[in-house]
Amino acid sequence: QQQVKQSPQSLIVQKGGIPIINCAYENTAFDYFPWYQQFPGKGPALLIAIRPDVSEKKEGRFTISFNKSAKQFSLHIMDSQPGDSATYFCAASMGNSGNTPLVFGKGTRLSVIA
Amino acid sequence: DTGVSQDPRHKITKRGQNVTFRCDPISEHNRLYWYRQTLGQGPEFLTYFQNEAQLEKSRLLSDRFSAERPKGSFSTLEIQRTEQGDSAMYLCASSLDGEGPQHFGDGTRLSIL
Repeated sequence: QQQVKQSPQSLIVQKGGIPIINCAYENTAFDYFPWYQQFPGKGPALLIAIRPDVSEKKEGRFTISFNKSAKQFSLHIMDSQPGDSATYFCAASMGNSGNTPLVFGKGTRLSVIA
Repeated sequence: DTGVSQDPRHKITKRGQNVTFRCDPISEHNRLYWYRQTLGQGPEFLTYFQNEAQLEKSRLLSDRFSAERPKGSFSTLEIQRTEQGDSAMYLCASSLDGEGPQHFGDGTRLSIL
């Protein structure tokens, strides 16, 4: 049973484009939703996180949109660059500060081509 | 400020052998987590600690797996009688209780021959 569903599995965009990665969850007890970026051979690195009382959060070129009623959230990467090519994971946890075990999506492999 | 450190980075062993991995969390982080990641998948939770207390174990953590954090600082994850299916990246993360978020190390890649 997959608690966090992520799509698409892979994504190719041109430099400067805006890739969008979507996630959906079922468990309404989830209260914290981070996005992680992972490069080959490295551990996941936190990009940005949101709580359900906020509908949108921006940090630099990264934006999370959150739809609590639909139980969906998405990551937008503005002005994407080849250096953004990586695998992106959405996650969810109970407890509003990320201090409980994370449930991850299966990941989206992003390629940004020049 | 050093991040989460894991050792070794790679481990190759024969089926049936025991292996042990070490994780050093970010200084002063009192929560420590272990995850497992297989190729093309997201990390899956195994277990976590607050200081030296093990708070939760996933059903993924079979009897062959044991984790400890004896002094509330570093942690070890031991796998006994390794099987082919244990081949994966084992990730450690740490956080500060009440503040989050979780910061990950670069993992230990285990290969079972």
